[in-house]
Amino acid sequence: AQSVTQLGSHVSVSEGALVLLRCNYSSSVPPYLFWYVQYPNQGLQLLLKYTSAATLVKGINGFEAEFKKSETSFHLTKPSAHMSDAAEYFCAVTRSYNTDKLIFGTGTRLQVFP
Amino acid sequence: SQTIHQWPATLVQPVGSPLSLECTVEGTSNPNLYWYRQAAGRGLQLLFYSVGIGQISSEVPQNLSASRPQDRQFILSSKKLLLSDSGFYLCAWSGTGVLDEQYFGPGTRLTVT
Repeated sequence: AQSVTQLGSHVSVSEGALVLLRCNYSSSVPPYLFWYVQYPNQGLQLLLKYTSAATLVKGINGFEAEFKKSETSFHLTKPSAHMSDAAEYFCAVTRSYNTDKLIFGTGTRLQVFP
Repeated sequence: SQTIHQWPATLVQPVGSPLSLECTVEGTSNPNLYWYRQAAGRGLQLLFYSVGIGQISSEVPQNLSASRPQDRQFILSSKKLLLSDSGFYLCAWSGTGVLDEQYFGPGTRLTVT
C-alpha cells in the first residue's frame, strides 16, 4: 500500500533562508508524487508533481523537488524563503498505478520570520 | 476556465443535527469528484469519490454519505452529526486522464457543538 511520511509538522526559517520540507514515501508500485500548498482557510493548490519524466521537478513560486528512489524521498526545496511562502504543505502519492486517488501526508506548516 | 464552488464556507451545527454540504464545478464536463476531510494534525482523508452521476465510492466507513445528482454537483450529507465530524471539508475535481491534477475548492469549516 502507498503512504507518505512528512517529517516535521512545523518548520521555521528566516526570510531569505533555504526551505527544506521532507517527504518520504512507501509504494509497492512506481509512485507518482505531488506537493500541494494550502494557505489559511483555503483549498489546496498544486505546487509540482513527479510523473517519472525527470527526477528533478520544478514547480510554481520557485519550489522544486527531487525524486530519489534509493532514499524513497521527494523533498521540497526553495533556495530563498519569502514571507508569502508561509503556509501548510502536503506531500501526496497516488494510491495505485494509473489512478488519480491521492494519499496525503499529515502536512508541514512553514513559518517564515523576517 | 474551470471553477469549483463550495458552500457554506463555515457551519456550526449541534450534535445530532443533519448536514448538507454542496460542491459544484463549472467549465468542465464529466469530472471526477472528491470529498476530503482535514482534521488538525491528520492531513487530508479521502471520504468519497465519484466518476459519474450516481456513482459513489466510499473510502472510510462513517456516518457520512455522498451523492452526485448532476454531472457537476457533489453533495456530502449526514443524518445525525457527531462531534468527531468537525473539521475542514474540501471538495476537489479532476479530469479523467491519467494523473490529471486535482483542483480543490475553498473548503467548508464545520464545527459540531
